[in-house]
Amino acid sequence: DAGITQSPRHKVTETGTPVTLRCHQTENHRYMYWYRQDPGHGLRLIHYSYGVKDTDKGEVSDGYSVSRSKTEDFLLTLESATSSQTSVYFCATLTWGEGHGNEQFFGPGTRLTVL
Amino acid sequence: GEDVEQSLFLSVREGDSSVINCTYTDSSSTYLYWYKQEPGAGLQLLTYIFSNMDMKQDQRLTVLLNKKDKHLSLRIADTQTGDSAIYFCAESTGGATNKLIFGTGTLLAVQP
Repeated sequence: DAGITQSPRHKVTETGTPVTLRCHQTENHRYMYWYRQDPGHGLRLIHYSYGVKDTDKGEVSDGYSVSRSKTEDFLLTLESATSSQTSVYFCATLTWGEGHGNEQFFGPGTRLTVL
Repeated sequence: GEDVEQSLFLSVREGDSSVINCTYTDSSSTYLYWYKQEPGAGLQLLTYIFSNMDMKQDQRLTVLLNKKDKHLSLRIADTQTGDSAIYFCAESTGGATNKLIFGTGTLLAVQP
């Protein structure tokens, strides 16, 4: 367990409002990721970070922005939420394993509903 | 582009073996993973296999990799009701960012 927490765990918001989701980790992992999980799609990468202030886009980045001002925190912002962004959002961090595959640890998820 | 496919559902009886299958398209995949997701929870890494391996066994879990056919399977021996969950396979080409491409997930239902 990489000590990953996400807040809030549940949120209901209205179309057009800004929303920020927070991911906090206590393991000093360099790499952090935001995914969304939707039925029939598995998990899809939104954005990722490879260090403080270093971020890049994933496969479904439109409508999302991220920031990482500290190693432990990775924020995901929906500038103007839309109903298509209703989903479960997972944060993950990466540790480099000795002699085995690089393991991503996942947070518990945030369920976001956009009405 | 990269794609990972899984069957959506598998039902087995307690004590039987379960086999969950996955196919992928990226021939440059370096690592392949199996994750488990229980209801309302995040994903938990079960096991992984490096692309130069054919098989890996870890207690009740056996991973088989057919690199020629780009086919990955997860066998769970003596399946228990606690194994009921969604299982995701994922591929990665490694590198500095280790981005993962996930399959759609297979719901394993274990009948008592």
